[in-house]
Amino acid sequence: GAGVSQSPRYKVAKRGQDVALRCDPISGHVSLFWYQQALGQGPEFLTYFQNEAQLDKSGLPSDRFFAERPEGSVSTLKIQRTQQEDSAVYLCASSQGGQGAYHEQFFGPGTRLTVL
Amino acid sequence: SQKIEQNSEALNIQEGKTATLTCNYTNYSPAYLQWYRQDPGRGPVFLLLIRENEKEKRKERLKVTFDTTLKQSLFHITASQPADSATYLCAPLNQAGTALIFGKGTTLSVSS
Repeated sequence: GAGVSQSPRYKVAKRGQDVALRCDPISGHVSLFWYQQALGQGPEFLTYFQNEAQLDKSGLPSDRFFAERPEGSVSTLKIQRTQQEDSAVYLCASSQGGQGAYHEQFFGPGTRLTVL
Repeated sequence: SQKIEQNSEALNIQEGKTATLTCNYTNYSPAYLQWYRQDPGRGPVFLLLIRENEKEKRKERLKVTFDTTLKQSLFHITASQPADSATYLCAPLNQAGTALIFGKGTTLSVSS
């Protein structure tokens, strides 16, 4: 079947705007993760969902960041009042198992966010 | 805090040689460790997973070791090919088991 898809692939926002990034995981995958990847760095964990439950949001950098997965499939990462330091690639990953990050993760292509 | 270090940012080798990448972690003991490959403009792709009670794991030309005493994992690519050129990311499991902590990555370039 299809892999993890993310939309939009590219997003340019003016500072102060709100943005919403979408992730469609592989069908049937229980776990879903969001990561932020700055240029030249490895992905940095933001949050983890097991079905619709957000079990770990310790990586969200501020209360401007909010993620949801209301029906246990598609997830949205929302960033309010964007700032220049939010510019990065946002990666979504899903895995079949429901035991956190113990299983291999399948990553989407990412959304490149540029805040002007 | 949990810290991951990959030995070098860039590694250049000739085709046919073995590439060895190093990953060191400090301040905790992960139960699992994964290695991923990332090509420019793409998301990471899973390669191998090794558990703390496993010393070594192999998959085709790839080999991973996990030394919990040294707090180190080594990733080897034997008979390297130009197509192996990419960034390789080490990712131990965090203490809570809910996320991977990625290193900065090592960019491997294999020249023919």
